[in-house]
Amino acid sequence: QVQLVQSGAEVKKPGASVKVSCKASGYTFTGFYIHWVRQAPGQGLEWMGWINPNGGGTNYAQKFQGRVTMTRDTSISTAYMEVSGLNSDDTAVYFCARPRWTCSSGSCYGHWLDPWGQGTLVTVSS
Amino acid sequence: EIVMTQSPATLSVSPGESATLSCRATQSVSSNLAWYQQKPGQAPRLLIYGASTRATDIPARFSGSGSGTEFTLTISSLQSEDFAVYYCQQYNNWPPRELTFGGGTKVEIK
Repeated sequence: QVQLVQSGAEVKKPGASVKVSCKASGYTFTGFYIHWVRQAPGQGLEWMGWINPNGGGTNYAQKFQGRVTMTRDTSISTAYMEVSGLNSDDTAVYFCARPRWTCSSGSCYGHWLDPWGQGTLVTVSS
Repeated sequence: EIVMTQSPATLSVSPGESATLSCRATQSVSSNLAWYQQKPGQAPRLLIYGASTRATDIPARFSGSGSGTEFTLTISSLQSEDFAVYYCQQYNNWPPRELTFGGGTKVEIK
C-alpha cells in the first residue's frame, strides 16, 4: 500500500536548521509530487510547498521562500524539507503528503492530498 | 492568494444529529475543493475531493456540495468517531501554484 514514513521528532535551538525526511513506498516515487504542510500547536494546517521528484522542481509558499528548501533522493524514494533560521514560531508538526489528481478531456484537476505521513514534531527552544 | 474561511469555528452537535460545515473562498475555485478530517495526534484524513466526491472507504453519511466560492460539508447522523476537526482545502489551477486550507471547524459533542 502507498505509505509515507517521516523521520522522528527534533528539538532545535533558535537560529538552527532542521531537515525532515519523508520516505515513500508502494508507488513510483518519481510519478507524484510531495507536498509539505505544517501545523503549530492547537492551530490549523499551513501549506508550505511542493517538490516534483521527477526533476526536482519546487514551488514554495511565499511566506517560506528563502527559508525552506525541499529536495529529494530518488535512489531511496525519499523527500526532504529543510527549514533554516528557526524561531519559536516554527514549533509545529510537519507533514508530508502525496497529491492525487484527475484528468479528463485534456484537462487535469488536483492536488488533493492522500495519503499523509505520520507527522514530525519540531520543537524550537533555547 | 486565495483565502479559505470556514464557519463556524466550533459546532456542538448531539450524536445522531446532522452537522453542516461551511467553507468560503475569496475567489472562485470551481469544484477544486477537498475536505479533511483530523483527530488529535493524527494526520488529516481525506474525506471529499472535487467538492462532492467521497474518497475511498468514506461512509455515505459524509457529503459535500457547492462550487465557485461557497461549499458545504454535511455529516448526517453523527457517530462518536465523527467528532473531530474538519478542514477544507482549495487546489485551483494546474499544476497548483499554491494550496490553501481553511482555519478548520471543530465538531464537538453537545
